[in-house]
Amino acid sequence: EVQLLESGGALVQPGGSLRLSCVASGFSLSSYAMSWVCLTPGKGLEWVSGISASGDNTDYGDSVEGRFTISRDSSWNTLYLQMNSLRTEDTAVYFCAKGPGKDIRTTYFDYLGQGTLVTVSS
Amino acid sequence: QSVLTQPPSVSAAPGQKVTISCSGSGSNIGNNYVSWYQKLPGAGPKLLIHDDIHRPSGIPARFSGSKSGTSASLGITGLQTGDEAEYYCGTWDISLGTVVFGGGTKLTVL
Repeated sequence: EVQLLESGGALVQPGGSLRLSCVASGFSLSSYAMSWVCLTPGKGLEWVSGISASGDNTDYGDSVEGRFTISRDSSWNTLYLQMNSLRTEDTAVYFCAKGPGKDIRTTYFDYLGQGTLVTVSS
Repeated sequence: QSVLTQPPSVSAAPGQKVTISCSGSGSNIGNNYVSWYQKLPGAGPKLLIHDDIHRPSGIPARFSGSKSGTSASLGITGLQTGDEAEYYCGTWDISLGTVVFGGGTKLTVL
């Protein structure tokens, strides 16, 4: 059974940093592309970042490019999102999402986690 | 402002049918498959429909998807109180080079 469990969300001040983790079980991160997706009240779902199955390719949404870094540890089967220079508009629930294939380019995610809340406020 | 446009809310009585629309453009829905997700309070989004019309294993046949041109729809028949949730459409946008979603539609089962 596929399971995704996020953690690391917290209250942080503007300009601060945070690292989100997503422990995957039931499949190997090395076999599928993974993404981070966020949900903001009033804005809906937004794709944040993705990493290919091989780990060779990463991509970011315009709003987080240069501030966030996606990575993974295959030995722990864990996906990460390093969030730096946080802004109030980054406040959201962040979900890790499994793609159906190896490429970041996808039209759907077959599994998403329960999410972790990031609040950026002074 | 979301790339895909959904109505903010829809409502219907238990047992009835409801349709949720999702409007896009040629750079997304017009040239890529559409997916649909159900977001219950306190839970992560759950995939209901992928590739326009296909239901993953375990999703009831009460849920169906369709697409025409640059618009897609999610249909839910035999509405139950447990279907009250936010529903989101999604796809790949060729011009933006990212996954894009609708703003979400809140379903109320009266």
